[in-house]
Amino acid sequence: DIQLTQSPSFLSASVGDRVTITCRASQGISNYLVWCQQKPGKAPKLLISAASTLQSGVPSRFSGSGSGTEFTLTISSLQPEDFATYYCQQFNSYPLSFGGGTRVEIK
Amino acid sequence: DVEMLQSGGGLVQPGGSLRLSCAASGFTFSSLAMSWVRQAPGQGLEWVSTVSAGGGSTYYADSVKGRFTISRDNSKKKVYLQMNSLRVEDTAVYYCANGRQGYWGQGTLVTVSS
Repeated sequence: DIQLTQSPSFLSASVGDRVTITCRASQGISNYLVWCQQKPGKAPKLLISAASTLQSGVPSRFSGSGSGTEFTLTISSLQPEDFATYYCQQFNSYPLSFGGGTRVEIK
Repeated sequence: DVEMLQSGGGLVQPGGSLRLSCAASGFTFSSLAMSWVRQAPGQGLEWVSTVSAGGGSTYYADSVKGRFTISRDNSKKKVYLQMNSLRVEDTAVYYCANGRQGYWGQGTLVTVSS
């Protein structure tokens, strides 16, 4: 089974900050990874597919990179609406798996 | 527009059964695998099960294997999750989803309690 380890699990940042979240896979998953954002009481929203493909309608301040076992989600300039929890998910093999999540809060 | 409308859920006693349904529209349902994902109160997302596009292959998390059954009806554009032998630890919001495409249902709460 493939484990995804996200870091940090929590971060406190200010509006305008550059934020980077890391997702490490226990074995190589090529680029079969997505990033999603979840706000309290809401379903997750897809931000990035195939490790680096920005979804239509998602602001360009979000970007994804990586391949194999190490992946990053970067928010270039944090906005008030970006305070949420972020998850990575792998689609390389079953059982599918999520990272533990990164909660981004206002400093 | 893509829509995934869930129904079912509610309060059930330990050992009981429940069936969740998810009706999809706005995309070619029969060409995509469909999954169920759950989120226990205050916890992260947990993949539960996936059914292939044609319905011939199914996959389960170890935590639900042998108790839950995923199925789909492509003629009705619906996916189902039959949950048997429910446990307190199955309490969660359940989402139907195709995570790769970013299609998510609104979520439905399943509470297992006596």
